[in-house]
Amino acid sequence: AQSVSQHNHHVILSEAASLELGCNYSYGGTVNLFWYVQYPGQHLQLLLKYFSGDPLVKGIKGFEAEFIKSKFSFNLRKPSVQWSDTAEYFCAVSRTGGSQGNLIFGKGTKLSVKP
Amino acid sequence: DAGVTQSPTHLIKTRGQHVTLRCSPISGHKSVSWYQQVLGQGPQFIFQYYEKEERGRGNFPDRFSARQFPNYSSELNVNALLLGDSALYLCASSLESSRNTGELFFGEGSRLTVL
Repeated sequence: AQSVSQHNHHVILSEAASLELGCNYSYGGTVNLFWYVQYPGQHLQLLLKYFSGDPLVKGIKGFEAEFIKSKFSFNLRKPSVQWSDTAEYFCAVSRTGGSQGNLIFGKGTKLSVKP
Repeated sequence: DAGVTQSPTHLIKTRGQHVTLRCSPISGHKSVSWYQQVLGQGPQFIFQYYEKEERGRGNFPDRFSARQFPNYSSELNVNALLLGDSALYLCASSLESSRNTGELFFGEGSRLTVL
């Protein structure tokens, strides 16, 4: 069965620190990869996505993620975090050619940024 | 523009009861997906509907059912509620199902507590 693993449950950083959140998936076929973010009191929203092409994907608010096929990984990065990045981050996978409404999510990583 | 709207936002039921949750997608979106998010976990796929037809079903018991109406709104029904059904139920809409255009737009969810 497909699964998504997020390595960190809770990450605490100071402002201006660099961020990397790990995500690994298990699926033998071609996948589409996503990072969603949930800010406190808000709904889930898309941060960035990878379908094909350049494995380095840039998203909103200065976030980027790199797809490394050989490692089944799609780690999220940001060079310098801000207090407003405090949120919960979810990595998700869907099967290429499958229903786009069927995403498999990781358990999420809660990011707390200290001002 | 209105986003995905869900109702009710909170509700409390007792074991054995039935619940109906409602979702209105973004105007123009024909696909609706339902997810269950238990505290501390990522969202788990329950159903997807597109053009009033079921396009995907997750690993949930038959107590869970859903339907989509001609105006693309959707209902999620859960019968014979169990304590373990306590969760945040998320609805997400997207433009289409036949091709992976990628982005799901989530509502803020209906928080169900079963006592």
